[in-house]
Amino acid sequence: GESVGLHLPTLSVQEGDNSIINCAYSNSASDYFIWYKQESGKGPQFIIDIRSNMDKRQGQRVTVLLNKTVKHLSLQIAATQPGDSAVYFCAERGGNDYKLSFGAGTTVTVRA
Amino acid sequence: KAGVTQTPRYLIKTRGQQVTLSCSPISGHRSVSWYQQTPGQGLQFLFEYFSETQRNKGNFPGRFSGRQFSNSRSEMNVSTLELGDSALYLCASSLQFEGGLETQYFGPGTRLLVL
Repeated sequence: GESVGLHLPTLSVQEGDNSIINCAYSNSASDYFIWYKQESGKGPQFIIDIRSNMDKRQGQRVTVLLNKTVKHLSLQIAATQPGDSAVYFCAERGGNDYKLSFGAGTTVTVRA
Repeated sequence: KAGVTQTPRYLIKTRGQQVTLSCSPISGHRSVSWYQQTPGQGLQFLFEYFSETQRNKGNFPGRFSGRQFSNSRSEMNVSTLELGDSALYLCASSLQFEGGLETQYFGPGTRLLVL
């Protein structure tokens, strides 16, 4: 079956450093991947997405990398700020249906 | 443009009762999905609606049901509540279902506590 997972449940980062959050998936038919950020008391907020015909996509301070060979997805946050403290989820969509399957989440804590 | 709205934001029920949660998608969005979020199971897909039709369903018991109205607003219902139904219920909307690659935007959720 399909599954999406993150390598580490928590990540502590010094303010100003770059953060890298990793995610592994098992469904080779997945063709769309999304990163969400969820702050306490709020719903998941869209950060960036990438389609399977790409291997890199950049946004504002964020970059998503997709390695289909090893089924690995990563989110890089440049110059991490205190407001980046949140839980980050990767999600994938595709295969026989189009529901989103979420990973377990990585809690990012930014140290001042 | 207003985001996805969910009502109520918080709800307390007792075992055996039923509950109805409401979701208003972003204006122009026709697809609405529901998810359950718990600390133990994470975010799990419940169902997806498009044009008043359920297009996709997750692995939840029949006590969980939903519907979508002609204005794309959606409701989900949970009957015979159990303690394990305590969770944050999230609604997400997207422009359309066909193609399946539309970004889903989430509402703030309804936090349900079953006592």
